[in-house]
Amino acid sequence: SQTIHQWPATLVQPVGSPLSLECTVEGTSNPNLYWYRQAAGRGLQLLFYSVGIGQISSEVPQNLSASRPQDRQFILSSKKLLLSDSGFYLCAWRQAGYEQYFGPGTRLTVT
Amino acid sequence: GQNIDQPTEMTATEGAIVQINCTYQTSGFNGLFWYQQHAGEAPTFLSYNVLDGLEEKGRFSSFLSRSKGYSYLLLKELQMKDSASYLCAVRDYGGATNKLIFGTGTLLAVQP
Repeated sequence: SQTIHQWPATLVQPVGSPLSLECTVEGTSNPNLYWYRQAAGRGLQLLFYSVGIGQISSEVPQNLSASRPQDRQFILSSKKLLLSDSGFYLCAWRQAGYEQYFGPGTRLTVT
Repeated sequence: GQNIDQPTEMTATEGAIVQINCTYQTSGFNGLFWYQQHAGEAPTFLSYNVLDGLEEKGRFSSFLSRSKGYSYLLLKELQMKDSASYLCAVRDYGGATNKLIFGTGTLLAVQP
């Protein structure tokens, strides 16, 4: 069966510090991968998606970036965090079906 | 533009039936999803509708009317564990990318 992992689970970072969040998927190959952010009281906002290794599409302009160095690995990064980057970051995958399956998420607080 | 509307909050009684509505206006439409999200957790998939009509899955049912841009999620025999946010999402036209546009969610509180 397929599983999706995210780490860390929680993170507190100062403004201006770098960020690296990792997502890995097991039990599937060549999945579509997605990064979402959920700010307090708001819906899920799609940040990036990837249909294959090295293929990244950005949905919104921001100071975040994403990379997919391996088929089942998706990384979200920032060189300098802003207060507005605080939120719940969710990675999701999709393969054959239309539904997306979410990882456990990373709660990021920028102080 | 892309717009998905859901009520912000709803309250219902254990054992009762509750209907959560979702209206959408999107540039493309290729299906509608409902997800359940408990506080502090990731969303979990509940249902998918692409054709008009009612899809039933146990205590949960989902309805779609494409001509009206309208869907609802029906929860029967409510249990305390059904207290959660319910997210409506529309699948955009995107071929292989399968982008989903989410509403802000409806927070359902089930009371004894």
